[in-house]
Amino acid sequence: GAVVSQHPSWVICKSGTSVKIECRSLDFQATTMFWYRQFPKQSLMLMATSNEGSKATYEQGVEKDKFLINHASLTLSTLTVTSAHPEDSSFYICSARVTSGIWGYEQYFGPGTRLTVT
Amino acid sequence: QKEVEQDPGPLSVPEGAIVSLNCTYSNSAFQYFMWYRQYSRKGPELLMYTYSSGNKEDGRFTAQVDKSSKYISLFIRDSQPSDSATYLCAMSAGGFKTIFGAGTRLFVKA
Repeated sequence: GAVVSQHPSWVICKSGTSVKIECRSLDFQATTMFWYRQFPKQSLMLMATSNEGSKATYEQGVEKDKFLINHASLTLSTLTVTSAHPEDSSFYICSARVTSGIWGYEQYFGPGTRLTVT
Repeated sequence: QKEVEQDPGPLSVPEGAIVSLNCTYSNSAFQYFMWYRQYSRKGPELLMYTYSSGNKEDGRFTAQVDKSSKYISLFIRDSQPSDSATYLCAMSAGGFKTIFGAGTRLFVKA
C-alpha cells in the first residue's frame, strides 16, 4: 500500500506555544488529506478535510483559528496547533486519499503524532 | 443512533481461533467498506476494502458485506498473537467523508 509519513512522531510543548505537524504522501499524490484526532481507547475524530490549494473544511466544533491547516502541495499538508493548551494533548493522525480507477479511492493513514502540552 | 456501530470489546481469543469482527450501519448510501488495523500508538493500516456487497479474501482475512442487512464482517483465520490490535471498520458513500466505527480491541493469547 501507499506510505504516508508524519513528523514529528512525538512532541512535548509548553502551554501557549504553537506546534506544527507535517504529513507527507511519499509515493503518491493525494487528492485529499484529512486530519484526525484520537483520544486513548477511542475512535478517530475527523477534524478537517483539505484539498491541495484550497481552504480546509473543518468539522463542527473544531476551531479553525486554533488548528491551522495548510495543504501546500499534493504531497504535503501541515497542521499547526496554535496557543496550545493541555486539553489539546492528543494523538493526531493525518490521512491521504488517492483516487483509484478500480473502485473509487483508497485512504491511507500516517503513523500519528503524539502531542503533549505541559 | 450512530451511523456506524461497532462493539468495542475487548475480544480475547486463543491462538489459532477464528475471529469474527462486525459492524452495523444505518446509511443505505454507503457503498465502500473498509477494515483497518491499528496497533497501540500507531496510525491505522488499511487491511481490506470492498465495494458494494459480497466477499473478499486476502490470506487469512475475509471481508463480507451484506447490504440488505447493513452488516459487515471481518474474519481472521488461524489468529496469531501478532493480530492483537484494534480493528476499525469504515465506510463511505463515495464523497469526502469516511465514517469510522469505534474499533474493536482484539487480544490473541499464545
